[in-house]
This record gives sequence, C-alpha cells and structure tokens, in this order.
Amino acid sequence: EVQLVESGGGLVQPGGSLRLSCAASGFTFSRDSMNWVRQAPGKGLEWVSYISSSSNIIYYADSVKGRFTISRDNVKNSLYLQMNSLRDEDTAVYYCARDKYGDYGMDVWGQGTTVTVSS
Amino acid sequence: EIVLTQSPGTLSLSPGERATLSCRASQSVSSSYLAWYQQKPGQAPRLLIYGASSRATGIPDRFSGSGSGTDFTLTISRLEPEDFAVYYCQHYGSSPLYTFGRGTKLEIK
Repeated sequence: EVQLVESGGGLVQPGGSLRLSCAASGFTFSRDSMNWVRQAPGKGLEWVSYISSSSNIIYYADSVKGRFTISRDNVKNSLYLQMNSLRDEDTAVYYCARDKYGDYGMDVWGQGTTVTVSS
Repeated sequence: EIVLTQSPGTLSLSPGERATLSCRASQSVSSSYLAWYQQKPGQAPRLLIYGASSRATGIPDRFSGSGSGTDFTLTISRLEPEDFAVYYCQHYGSSPLYTFGRGTKLEIK
C-alpha cells in the first residue's frame, strides 16, 4: 500500500524550532519529488516547499524562505522539514505529498501532523 | 504570481443534482498545470483531476474537469452523499511553485 506518515508535530513557543518527518512506503521513494503543504485552522491549503527526487532542486514559499529547510533521505525513505524561528502564523496541519510522476499535481498525501506555535 | 479565484464560495445542492465549480486564473495558464482536489473534514486532500481534465486513479467518472486559458470547471454529474466536501483547484507554476484557490464548499441543501 502506498503510504505517507508524518510525525514530529507539537506545541512550540514563538521563535522555537521543530523538525517534521514523513515516512514513505509502498512506492519507489527515490524516484519521486515531494512537497510539504500546510493548512491553518479553518483555512485553505498553502504549499510550503518542494524537493526533487535527488535533492538538487528545492523551492520554498516566500512565507517560510530562510526559516524552513526541506531535505530527504532516499535510503531511509524519509522526507523532512526543519522549521526554525517559528511564528504564530505557522500554526497549521502539515501534510507531506508526493508529486505525481510525469504530471503536475500531488497524488499521495499523508494524514498530516499538527504544529501549534503559541506561548 | 498566478491567483486562482474559485466560485462560488459555497454551493448548496441536493444528492442527484449536478454540481459545477469554477476556477479562474489571473492570467492564462497551461491546462497541463491545473489540478483539482477534494477534502473532507479531518482528512487530507485527494487528487481528483490533473491536467485540467484527466481523472486520477480510482476517481469515479461522475467527476470531470474542463477548461483552458483562464477558466476551468470541475463538474460532478450526479451528486452522491459522499461528494459533499471542499474542493480546491491548484496551479503548478514558478513562483510560488504551487498555488491553491481558496476552495468551494459543496454542502447538502
């Protein structure tokens, strides 16, 4: 079964750091580009970051550039998001999502992990 | 930056009716780069349509996508109870890489 499972969310104070993980299974992780997408409480979807299959191409949304770092380990079939200098507005459910191979869109999503930034 | 405007914000229909959801881009975009998602409460989004009109794996044929240029449409031919959800359109671009519309909530009338 194709699956993505996020972990690492929690409550953190403003200015703090958190590292999210996404474990992939059931497909050839090393072939596929990956994304992080977030959703603030009661709001819509916001794309956060993208990493290509070999990590040579990385993009960030302006809202997180300079504070968040995406990475992956193709041996461990895992995707990561290091989040530093967290702000209240980073509070959201964070999803990892696979880029659909050969097309444009995200065809596999995890269940999400919740990040709450609050003092 | 491409802005996607979805309308209506909320659509109230009954099971069995036809639903038409709109997504308008702020400038002309390639159909290849337009996708639609469904999201139910407490769940992750699910890819419905990619390339503006291609159904993703396992998506029933009552869902169809169409459009080109700046105007795109998601049509659900006959609503089933499980179709009531929030629908998002998405564009693959350059900066930012992906943009989502604000969503259309499809609710039971």
